Amino acid sequence: DAMVIQNPRYQVTQFGKPVTLSCSQTLNHNVMYWYQQKSSQAPKLLFHYYDKDFNNEADTPDNFQSRRPNTSFCFLDIRSPGLGDAAMYLCATSRDPRPSETQYFGPGTRLLVL
Amino acid sequence: DAKTTQPNSMESNEEEPVHLPCNHSTISGTDYIHWYRQLPSQGPEYVIHGLTSNVNNRMASLAIAEDRKSSTLILHRATLRDAAVYYCILRVPYNQGGKLIFGQGTELSVKP
Repeated sequence: DAMVIQNPRYQVTQFGKPVTLSCSQTLNHNVMYWYQQKSSQAPKLLFHYYDKDFNNEADTPDNFQSRRPNTSFCFLDIRSPGLGDAAMYLCATSRDPRPSETQYFGPGTRLLVL
Repeated sequence: DAKTTQPNSMESNEEEPVHLPCNHSTISGTDYIHWYRQLPSQGPEYVIHGLTSNVNNRMASLAIAEDRKSSTLILHRATLRDAAVYYCILRVPYNQGGKLIFGQGTELSVKP
């Protein structure tokens, strides 16, 4: 089945140690999104790629970066994780960014910062 | 940013219909109304979306008010597996951002 895959499902890192989360998709969608979801809160968009064009949300900290080497893969890099970055990180895709299009979410990676 | 308002929580009995309300008084003419749900420890899952007309699919129905300032997600027969947080979301055109802006969501519990 076509899907959005996130690895790993759980990631433990140390305070200040760079960490990379990965997302892949078999849907061949043009848009890939990264959301952060803290405990008991709604998901919050960090940034997205429309093809190779990177779009950062205004309030996304500089500590968060992203790479999309090809259509299928997208990475979230946290350069120096702080305790406040512990959260569920969700990857999503959509065929295109039109408001009528559905977003398909992966299962998420839960990040723990020690 | 376009905003939605939902009750924090609702309860339903199994096998009964559930009506989940959403207010979006600041909606503009090109904003789509999307509903997603999120089960514990999972990513959000698409439920339904619409622009002006009521919509039906295998999961639910979406009733949109004539002035579009409110909508209601209808689960026709709630099951225990429908217990989740339901998010009502306005999605604006891409040239205005195009993103899903999640509101607080409604936590639905289903009693056997």
